[in-house]
Amino acid sequence: QVQLVESEGGVVQSGGSLRLSCAASGFTFSSYGIHWVRQAPGKGLEWVAFIRYDGSDRYYADSVKGRFTISRDNSKNTLYLQMNSLRAEDTAVYYCAKDWGFLAAAGTSLYYFDYWGQGTLVTVSS
Amino acid sequence: QLVLTQSPSASASLGASVKLTCTLSSEHSSYAIAWHQQQPEKGPRYLMKLDSDGSHSKGDGIPDRFSGSSSGAERYLTISSLQSEDEADYYCQTWGTGIQVFGGGTKLTVL
Repeated sequence: QVQLVESEGGVVQSGGSLRLSCAASGFTFSSYGIHWVRQAPGKGLEWVAFIRYDGSDRYYADSVKGRFTISRDNSKNTLYLQMNSLRAEDTAVYYCAKDWGFLAAAGTSLYYFDYWGQGTLVTVSS
Repeated sequence: QLVLTQSPSASASLGASVKLTCTLSSEHSSYAIAWHQQQPEKGPRYLMKLDSDGSHSKGDGIPDRFSGSSSGAERYLTISSLQSEDEADYYCQTWGTGIQVFGGGTKLTVL
């Protein structure tokens, strides 16, 4: 069965950095795009970033553009999110989520999330 | 601008049915959406993809009690024979090139 398992988050000071990872199994990781989605305490879901199955293109929410970098290592079936210049408003549970699109080419539409990880909490302290 | 609008809350009795609504911005009324369920203290779970013609494809293990339908810019999630475990937040989601949008979520209370 499909599994997405995020690494442990943590507490980081404002202005600091943190890297999250997401280990995937149960599907051909190298054939699907993957997203990061976050949820601030008591709030709704917010899409953060996406990377194509082959890393050929990446998209970011305006709120994290220039500060966060999404990447992947298909040989390790692992997704990453490098978060720099962290702010208090980045405090959230971070989820990785699989995109439905199979081998979707660069520049084409993203799709919906058909599997989610269990999430990991990142707390940015001021 | 691509926007999804959901009512913040809904309630229905155990064993009854409830219909949740997600409304697309008018210029995007033909878009498909997806519904996701988030039970308390859990990660989201994909329920179904719902097209503008009402056709839908459900995720793994989603019971027949969950169904979807569409009318114009509105997308519906109907849950029948409500059970206590259906008490959750329900989010709709849509997508495009380089963009993902969520509705604000509906908190469903099972009475």
